[in-house]
Amino acid sequence: DSGVTQTPKHLITATGQRVTLRCSPRSGDLSVYWYQQSLDQGLQFLIQYYNGEERAKGNILERFSAQQFPDLHSELNLSSLELGDSALYFCASSVVRDWSSPLHFGNGTRLTVT
Amino acid sequence: AQTVTQSQPEMSVQEAETVTLSCTYDTSESDYYLFWYKQPPSRQMILVIRQEAYKQQNATENRFSVNFQKAAKSFSLKISDSQLGDAAMYFCAYRGRISNFGNEKLTFGTGTRLTIIP
Repeated sequence: DSGVTQTPKHLITATGQRVTLRCSPRSGDLSVYWYQQSLDQGLQFLIQYYNGEERAKGNILERFSAQQFPDLHSELNLSSLELGDSALYFCASSVVRDWSSPLHFGNGTRLTVT
Repeated sequence: AQTVTQSQPEMSVQEAETVTLSCTYDTSESDYYLFWYKQPPSRQMILVIRQEAYKQQNATENRFSVNFQKAAKSFSLKISDSQLGDAAMYFCAYRGRISNFGNEKLTFGTGTRLTIIP
């Protein structure tokens, strides 16, 4: 168990809809990362938050947004969903000040857009 | 931007044998960290091993070891005495110098699917 909690595990929705994915980091980790993994692909970095502030941005679509709350949990909002947004979305957390620290991943949210 | 390349989409190995998975990366930085993650069919991302760039000694974790060639920008993973439970996707990942703001993320390769033949 990585200590990172993601909900829900599965999400099925229709094109054009909006969904929210939730992540609670490991205790003590201030930084949260979101990654997208399309079918049998690598992990694409979307965005990182550190202690409530956006820290780094990757290949995140304008239809997607995220935030990190004062209790350090994070939400990834996906809107105007398209079929191509179907993927496994991972949240990870880490201790930022220790660069040897790996990312600890949640079990992912499987999003299916129909 | 840093890139990570895994040129072997699929590999297979006989149970109890040894297999090596390749990874190369491109960077202009001198200090960085490299990681191997395993993703079994459950889809969890599990850390296998990590290597700091300025350490000459190759990292080892039980049956897993790396061959780190800094000049060649190569970071291969060797799995000895392969077991059925080793069957998974293996991802190589890079982290740049963490003192650079916003550099804490990992950049992943596209993965190698490892099959274990009983």
